[in-house]
Amino acid sequence: AQSVTQLGSHVSVSEGALVLLRCNYSSSVPPYLFWYVQYPNQGLQLLLKYTTGATLVKGINGFEAEFKKSETSFHLTKPSAHMSDAAEYFCAVSSGYSTLTFGKGTMLLVSP
Amino acid sequence: EAGVAQSPRYKIIEKRQSVAFWCNPISGHATLYWYQQILGQGPKLLIQFQNNGVVDDSQLPKDRFSAERLKGVDSTLKIQPAKLEDSAVYLCASSPGTGNTEAFFGQGTRLTVV
Repeated sequence: AQSVTQLGSHVSVSEGALVLLRCNYSSSVPPYLFWYVQYPNQGLQLLLKYTTGATLVKGINGFEAEFKKSETSFHLTKPSAHMSDAAEYFCAVSSGYSTLTFGKGTMLLVSP
Repeated sequence: EAGVAQSPRYKIIEKRQSVAFWCNPISGHATLYWYQQILGQGPKLLIQFQNNGVVDDSQLPKDRFSAERLKGVDSTLKIQPAKLEDSAVYLCASSPGTGNTEAFFGQGTRLTVV
C-alpha cells in the first residue's frame, strides 16, 4: 500500500519569498514521486517527477524537489514566488505498475 | 499535440438520475484513468484501463458506476443512479505506460447532484 501526506492545506507567502510545500510518502517498494499543479477549473499539470538517479529534481516554472529516502519526503521548493504560482499543488506516489496515489493538496496563496 | 479531451465540462442532475462522461485520450496512449476529485481532496482513482482491458477497478462503486473503453481509445464513465455524494470533478487522464510515466490530465467534468 502507498500513501501521501501533505502538511498544510493552505500555505501563504509574499511575492518574492521562498515557497516550501511539504510532502511525505509511504511505500513498500521504491517509489516514483510526482508534483502536479492545478489551476482553477483546470486539470492537473505535471511540475516534476522523481524516478531514479539524482535526488534533486528540477521542474517547470523554477520549481524543484528533493527526494530524501531516510525522511520519506519529497518537498517542493521555489526560491522566489510569483503571483502566477497561486494554485493548488498535489504530491503523488506510484510504484512499479501501480497507479498514482495523490495527497489531499496544498493551496498556495501569493500576496503582493 | 492534442491533449486529453473531456465532455461535458459541467453537468447538473437530480439525485437518482443517470449521467455519462466522455473522454478521448492522447493519441497512442495505452493507459487511461478515471479519477474522482471531491472538493478539498486529492484525486482518487476509480478505474484504470490498459488498452481496452481493466487493470484496476478496486475503488469503483460497481453498484452504480460503470466504465468502458471500446477499441482501446475513447472511454465513457456512467453513474446510475446518482447520489448527492457523487458531486465531484471527474478527471480523465492518459499515459503511454504505467508506473514512472507521466499521466496527462483533461480539464475534467464538474458534476453537481441536487
